[in-house]
Amino acid sequence: DAKTTQPNSMESNEEEPVHLPCNHSTISGTDYIHWYRQLPSQGPEYVIHGLTSNVNNRMASLAIAEDRKSSTLILHRATLRDAAVYYCISHSGAGSYQLTFGKGTKLSVIP
Amino acid sequence: DGGITQSPKYLFRKEGQNVTLSCEQNLNHDAMYWYRQDPGQGLRLIYYSQIVNDFQKGDIAEGYSVSREKKESFPLTVTSAQKNPTAFYLCASSYRESNQPQHFGDGTRLSIL
Repeated sequence: DAKTTQPNSMESNEEEPVHLPCNHSTISGTDYIHWYRQLPSQGPEYVIHGLTSNVNNRMASLAIAEDRKSSTLILHRATLRDAAVYYCISHSGAGSYQLTFGKGTKLSVIP
Repeated sequence: DGGITQSPKYLFRKEGQNVTLSCEQNLNHDAMYWYRQDPGQGLRLIYYSQIVNDFQKGDIAEGYSVSREKKESFPLTVTSAQKNPTAFYLCASSYRESNQPQHFGDGTRLSIL
């Protein structure tokens, strides 16, 4: 699994879009990008994952760079409930079930 | 609703004591995992199991043991050999196919008395 790099913290105003960046310059061609988020004193919650093309679901969008060395998690309209630590994970999947969690990005949402 | 249930939410261990953390899922997932989280840190894998009666060590298995006698259950025992057990313990499950999302419980916080 490739190492990922994220900013330690970010702030956003409520009801504005949020773009959370992640660098994964050593990613291999078969590694997926996963995003999870964790609220205080709770387990992580799956957000989204993708391989090459952009992905959308009800929670967020994932934009993956053409060279796949970086990606961005997009929350279209931040709410106070989106304040959490967001983890970007590169996962090979092939025979590997382990998710390697770094320290993530702590997102604060300002009312 | 399907989900993962961890119990207890808080647990206290005396010196030299083994304690067992419970994890049950009704999501029909084959794979289950145990992670440890220390304050301000990411998660580290302790053990994982892809199928009943089979499990593998993760990065920090020393001082821990597990069993997988039923598909729904994956209990973790923190033994007295684990000298620094104070942490937040998280159980997760997923389908076995590659790159399936992992679903997490709400964790057990273990402290030393």
